[in-house]
Amino acid sequence: GQQLNQSPQSMFIQEGEDVSMNCTSSSIFNTWLWYKQDPGEGPVLLIALYKAGELTSNGRLTAQFGITRKDSFLNISASIPSDVGIYFCAGQPDSGNTPLVFGKGTRLSVIA
Amino acid sequence: EAGVAQSPRYKIIEKRQSVAFWCNPISGHATLYWYQQILGQGPKLLIQFQNNGVVDDSQLPKDRFSAERLKGVDSTLKIQPAKLEDSAVYLCASSPGDGSHQPQHFGDGTRLSIL
Repeated sequence: GQQLNQSPQSMFIQEGEDVSMNCTSSSIFNTWLWYKQDPGEGPVLLIALYKAGELTSNGRLTAQFGITRKDSFLNISASIPSDVGIYFCAGQPDSGNTPLVFGKGTRLSVIA
Repeated sequence: EAGVAQSPRYKIIEKRQSVAFWCNPISGHATLYWYQQILGQGPKLLIQFQNNGVVDDSQLPKDRFSAERLKGVDSTLKIQPAKLEDSAVYLCASSPGDGSHQPQHFGDGTRLSIL
């Protein structure tokens, strides 16, 4: 089946630093999504991308949908302690009504 | 807008017992998904419903797992009998299902531990 390769697996950074994580796929996706999951909770949507080349921001978060439609990255600027959690990329072959294929997640730790 | 509701939050059972989980999607959402998330991994689809019909259950272990959404609103997922490898978080998600660019929203999941 389809798989997403997400990296890095984990990151330890100082508060205030910028963070970058990415996801690649061997097949094309028409939608890329980034979710954050805190312990004991479900994934919460951060950014949704629907068009190749699209660059979208949500506060300190910026994500891009790769031109090849096989990759996406998420940047977090000026990290703060509440950014701690697991970040998942997810892809959909079509927009709208198909199941998500998830990466294995990037565990982010922020040292104050 | 109320989110996706799931219950129970936690369940501990012994292997070979049965268990059921419940999900109430966001109001008006036609599409409902059940995902299984094993520790250290991303969620993986078990089954997708569109209203009260099954769209995709190709990844559902049908010898032990079953799910229904009889009235096209809330849904139950059942495991009978449970195995040790079923220990996971079971997440429910919903989306409008009208073909628009509306992403899936998740509930907080049911954390299942099999002893």
